[in-house]
Amino acid sequence: AQKVTQAQTEISVVEKEDVTLDCVYETRDTTYYLFWYKQPPSGELVFLIRRNSFDEQNEISGRYSWNFQKSTSSFNFTITASQVVDSAVYFCALSEAVYNQGGKLIFGQGTELSVKP
Amino acid sequence: EAQVTQNPRYLITVTGKKLTVTCSQNMNHEYMSWYRQDPGLGLRQIYYSMNVEVTDKGDVPEGYKVSRKEKRNFPLILESPSPNQTSLYFCASSVSASSTDTQYFGPGTRLTVL
Repeated sequence: AQKVTQAQTEISVVEKEDVTLDCVYETRDTTYYLFWYKQPPSGELVFLIRRNSFDEQNEISGRYSWNFQKSTSSFNFTITASQVVDSAVYFCALSEAVYNQGGKLIFGQGTELSVKP
Repeated sequence: EAQVTQNPRYLITVTGKKLTVTCSQNMNHEYMSWYRQDPGLGLRQIYYSMNVEVTDKGDVPEGYKVSRKEKRNFPLILESPSPNQTSLYFCASSVSASSTDTQYFGPGTRLTVL
């Protein structure tokens, strides 16, 4: 069964610390896509990244980096030198290609990140 | 500006009073869907639409209806709201239903049913 688990419900760090948000997924599909979304206090969902299951290269975008490891079914997200503006709820999500129910995203429970000055 | 809009953004209502949450996108996307967000559960899909006049149930469709008469609009209808439908609702759209397409979300509608 498809499932996304974000075991960290809340994380609190002090500004400039590095922080890693964990995401573990389950899928029966060999072709799938993984996403990260950010939900700031204002409530909207902001798309951050999409990776397909055939591309295990790590990705870096400024202070953000993503580590995708098929062997452990994980797609972790690291923020380097965190800032107060990074405070948000972060969601990891899965979309399956073959068993997909019409483009459905399967979300994890979310991790609330609090960055204190 | 390319966007998904929802109205209203906030709504407090009472049990049994029919309501509609509108969703509109200006990107000519074929695929639209509705999710609800609840604490500890993440987001769960309610209904989706592959194109005009084509809709289907997601994971939690009970108590909801949708329609897709025009490509740009995908309203969510609660015929007889109940307190367990108190939630944060998001509309999303993407170019197609392909899992390769990124879904873009509206700003959310916070619904409280008393």
